[in-house]
Amino acid sequence: EADIYQTPRYLVIGTGKKITLECSQTMGHDKMYWYQQDPGMELHLIHYSYGVNSTEKGDLSSESTVSRIRTEHFPLTLESARPSHTSQYLCASSVLSWTSGTQETQYFGPGTRLLVL
Amino acid sequence: AQSVTQPDIHITVSEGASLELRCNYSYGATPYLFWYVQSPGQGLQLLLKYFSGDTLVQGIKGFEAEFKRSQSSFNLRKPSVHWSDAAEYFCAVEIGGSQGNLIFGKGTKLSVKP
Repeated sequence: EADIYQTPRYLVIGTGKKITLECSQTMGHDKMYWYQQDPGMELHLIHYSYGVNSTEKGDLSSESTVSRIRTEHFPLTLESARPSHTSQYLCASSVLSWTSGTQETQYFGPGTRLLVL
Repeated sequence: AQSVTQPDIHITVSEGASLELRCNYSYGATPYLFWYVQSPGQGLQLLLKYFSGDTLVQGIKGFEAEFKRSQSSFNLRKPSVHWSDAAEYFCAVEIGGSQGNLIFGKGTKLSVKP
């Protein structure tokens, strides 16, 4: 069983508020990811990190930002929440492998459901 | 561009019946392929994965999947469905050269009739 945690699980907030979604993993994984998932839709990668001080943008453009100051922690921040940010946000982690032919599994957290009014 | 297609949005099967969920991918090289399951209010759990070798892959909870290069498919199967299998199932392919970034299909919701 993977140890990856997300808080809060549910968040209802007003427009214009700053929010931070927390993600922590205790597996020592180098690589971490943030996905956005709308109901009935596929997951879209919005941010990822190869390790401490590494952050990259994913396939889906997002107004959120991330930071990676510690290996185990990968928070996502929205400076000014809007109703269009309403979605589910899933965090994942994996062991980084640079060797071709090997690929480690991504482990997912339970997700944060965000509703912006 | 790489893509993953799950043609069935929603499938309903009777408990004890067999199940096949379809997944097709678009990718130039041999992909790394995954099936994940998501129960309501939960994150994704890996069912199985294919990297190379035997094209029939066994996973957890009695699931298996078969990689067919000629059909660009990676369909998920289970011989006898249990009520607890009701969930959403996502097929995913690793983006080449990305060291692990995945593209997901839109998912198939499975309902199980008693």
